[in-house]
Amino acid sequence: NAGVTQTPKFQVLKTGQSMTLQCAQDMNHNSMYWYRQDPGMGLRLIYYSASEGTTDKGEVPNGYNVSRLNKREFSLRLESAAPSQTSVYFCASSGDRFVDTEAFFGQGTRLTVV
Amino acid sequence: RKEVEQDPGPFNVPEGATVAFNCTYSNSASQSFFWYRQDCRKEPKLLMSVYSSGNEDGRFTAQLNRASQYISLLIRDSKLSDSATYLCVVNQAGTALIFGKGTTLSVSS
Repeated sequence: NAGVTQTPKFQVLKTGQSMTLQCAQDMNHNSMYWYRQDPGMGLRLIYYSASEGTTDKGEVPNGYNVSRLNKREFSLRLESAAPSQTSVYFCASSGDRFVDTEAFFGQGTRLTVV
Repeated sequence: RKEVEQDPGPFNVPEGATVAFNCTYSNSASQSFFWYRQDCRKEPKLLMSVYSSGNEDGRFTAQLNRASQYISLLIRDSKLSDSATYLCVVNQAGTALIFGKGTTLSVSS
């Protein structure tokens, strides 16, 4: 049971570099999310996708872009990384309905921008 | 005002203690409520959903008060393994899960 798979697990970038965080789920979920977690800030929503072909901004979307490639995959792109984007990034997915469904998380990507 | 607010703690309790966490949410249109648990440097995992009538799962009891927009989690007979961060989570229909910052619990022997 893979669940939600994120790659890479760790990454160090230089300021200005770009990269894409990959996320895939094998639970046939419609909804997928990207969160970032910083010390003392909790989990903050970057973008989410209610279904294939749709994406919406969350609380902290600036500096990020997303692509819902298909039902399984939801990627997060940093076009020009900044030190403020140093964080732990979590991808998650949940079932057909927004209400009353459990969200499953990937193991996280620990990103450092120097 | 943050949409979901929790006391960050830490709560330091001895084994066997009873401890309660509280959470308030600002959007009265919120429809679903959850408690997640997060261990250090790990991903969050669902602990339990919270229902209007209140619900219990072993040593854990969750309560919801819609009128006061308040959610609680009670842990009885605390174990060392309960040490973690507990996240209050709210779901508004048509949007995504909104997380509180979490409450840290440390259970000591």
